[in-house]
Amino acid sequence: DSGVTQTPKHLITATGQRVTLRCSPRSGDLSVYWYQQSLDQGLQFLIQYYNGEERAKGNILERFSAQQFPDLHSELNLSSLELGDSALYFCASSPTGQGFKETQYFGPGTRLLVL
Amino acid sequence: GESVGLHLPTLSVQEGDNSIINCAYSNSASDYFIWYKQESGKGPQFIIDIRSNMDKRQGQRVTVLLNKTVKHLSLQIAATQPGDSAVYFCAESRGQNFVFGPGTRLSVLP
Repeated sequence: DSGVTQTPKHLITATGQRVTLRCSPRSGDLSVYWYQQSLDQGLQFLIQYYNGEERAKGNILERFSAQQFPDLHSELNLSSLELGDSALYFCASSPTGQGFKETQYFGPGTRLLVL
Repeated sequence: GESVGLHLPTLSVQEGDNSIINCAYSNSASDYFIWYKQESGKGPQFIIDIRSNMDKRQGQRVTVLLNKTVKHLSLQIAATQPGDSAVYFCAESRGQNFVFGPGTRLSVLP
């Protein structure tokens, strides 16, 4: 158990809908990262937040957004969902803002299925 | 474009043998590398990391080797056990991003 929690574990929704995925980082970690894992694209970095502020952006679509709250939990919002958004979404956390130079600890993921 | 990749998509080894999983990278500026293990239905789990100022790092039953000359990274698992069966990813730190390889599935045969 990495100490990172994600809810929900599974999510089934329809095209055009909007969903929110939630992540709680390990105790003491200030950075949260979101990743998408799909069969055709593999693991891809989406976005990083550090202590409430956006720190780095990866391959995140404009239909997707995220935020990190004062208690350091984070939410990933996916809107106008398309079939191709079906994937596993992972959250990871690390102690500082140097996330790409230190170990990131991954949560168990949320499996999203868009029908 | 530049990418991190793996030579072998699948690897089958006998229980008790040593496993070697390889990874090629193309960005000579990358300075930090991590190996992750992902079991079915779970998130990636950190195994071992190495910075570019090193060429070898050892953990418990695992060793990572970095050859910057040929831009090659390998993960060695000693005395492979059934619990080692998983997909293994290398990741390359490239600026403000981790670039993950496509993964190698390790299957441990009894």
